[in-house]
Amino acid sequence: RKEVEQDPGPFNVPEGATVAFNCTYSNSASQSFFWYRQDCRKEPKLLMSVYSSGNEDGRFTAQLNRASQYISLLIRDSKLSDSATYLCVVNTPNNDMRFGAGTRLTVKP
Amino acid sequence: NAGVMQNPRHLVRRRGQEARLRCSPMKGHSHVYWYRQLPEEGLKFMVYLQKENIIDESGMPKERFSAEFPKEGPSILRIQQVVRGDSAAYFCASSPSRETEAFFGQGTRLTVV
Repeated sequence: RKEVEQDPGPFNVPEGATVAFNCTYSNSASQSFFWYRQDCRKEPKLLMSVYSSGNEDGRFTAQLNRASQYISLLIRDSKLSDSATYLCVVNTPNNDMRFGAGTRLTVKP
Repeated sequence: NAGVMQNPRHLVRRRGQEARLRCSPMKGHSHVYWYRQLPEEGLKFMVYLQKENIIDESGMPKERFSAEFPKEGPSILRIQQVVRGDSAAYFCASSPSRETEAFFGQGTRLTVV
């Protein structure tokens, strides 16, 4: 089993849609979780950290389910500018960061 | 506070040459990560370093690849005797401490001809 697994997509949604991504991780001792965004051929940029109680930042909501070992990202009211690859990141007990392969999102007019 | 600086941004090497990729972390960051990204693929972890120490190199190929993060100066990812399959984008990230988010450099795009 991969350390961090994501559905690669692609997800093609119309503007204004709500879309959700899930990510599972294999190491139950992992402590820190993040969502990054990567635009084509550019460096990944932090979108948001994921806290145990769940957290929201504008149109974005992140949640953590430790029992089932997955994290999720919900994007409401999708914009064209949300088109990107979304990367799930998990800190291993060694404290190195492992990335999922990414989920590609395309928001269409 | 400058971000993570990687250089060169683009590097072309002939098969058999050596490639040296440099990464200067953000000021105050002592944790450095290197990742490789092949075209149309995800980021693959290579190595995690703290100052003068390799913490986890489980993602590094056993041969030809090495990394260091000396007390002074940037972190270096070194690829000896490059082959075509080494062509990729190499990203470096740094963080100030354990369990905090990391910030990425713009990457070095290595092309082996």
